[in-house]
Amino acid sequence: NAGVTQTPKFQVLKTGQSMTLQCAQDMNHNSMYWYRQDPGMGLRLIYYSASEGTTDKGEVPNGYNVSRLNKREFSLRLESAAPSQTSVYFCASSEAQGGTGHYEQYFGPGTRLTVT
Amino acid sequence: AQTVTQSQPEMSVQEAETVTLSCTYDTSESDYYLFWYKQPPSRQMILVIRQEAYKQQNATENRFSVNFQKAAKSFSLKISDSQLGDAAMYFCALGAGGTSYGKLTFGQGTILTVHP
Repeated sequence: NAGVTQTPKFQVLKTGQSMTLQCAQDMNHNSMYWYRQDPGMGLRLIYYSASEGTTDKGEVPNGYNVSRLNKREFSLRLESAAPSQTSVYFCASSEAQGGTGHYEQYFGPGTRLTVT
Repeated sequence: AQTVTQSQPEMSVQEAETVTLSCTYDTSESDYYLFWYKQPPSRQMILVIRQEAYKQQNATENRFSVNFQKAAKSFSLKISDSQLGDAAMYFCALGAGGTSYGKLTFGQGTILTVHP
């Protein structure tokens, strides 16, 4: 059981380049999330998807786009990378539906992205 | 809006001793859940313990227990008989009801060092 997988694990981009971070889960979860982790700031939600075909903004969505390709996959795209997007990115999934908050989130291993 | 505050950037403990990590939160929701996640150097996020706000009894998982003070909006984590493997970053997180779709708000994290 792989859980939540993310690719790549590491990436270096030049300012202005684009890239897509891939995420997949095999737990048949409804909800998926993208976070970024910066020193001293914890994890901040970028975008989330409550179900296949739906996406919504989180706390820090500027500079990112997402696609919920199907129930398993949720990708994060940086169209024009900036040094401020240097961070560790985590994908997560949970069984949560609607107004329920008690389901734990399962996290992928993270992607360390550096933008120079 | 929800907020989570961890006021201790770093804590240290001797092996076999007890340590308490602090967390305060704020939410206007009546239905919410609180979590402690552990992030070891491997970067993997691991759920340590979960507390439902409607439950009076404090959650316990082996050597990990919480002190949930609902009126004070405080949710501290106590680690008993600390082990070297407990060394990690610890995050407090809040999942609220309403239309949260399982979204979590994280604190800034506390780095725990365990001395042999």
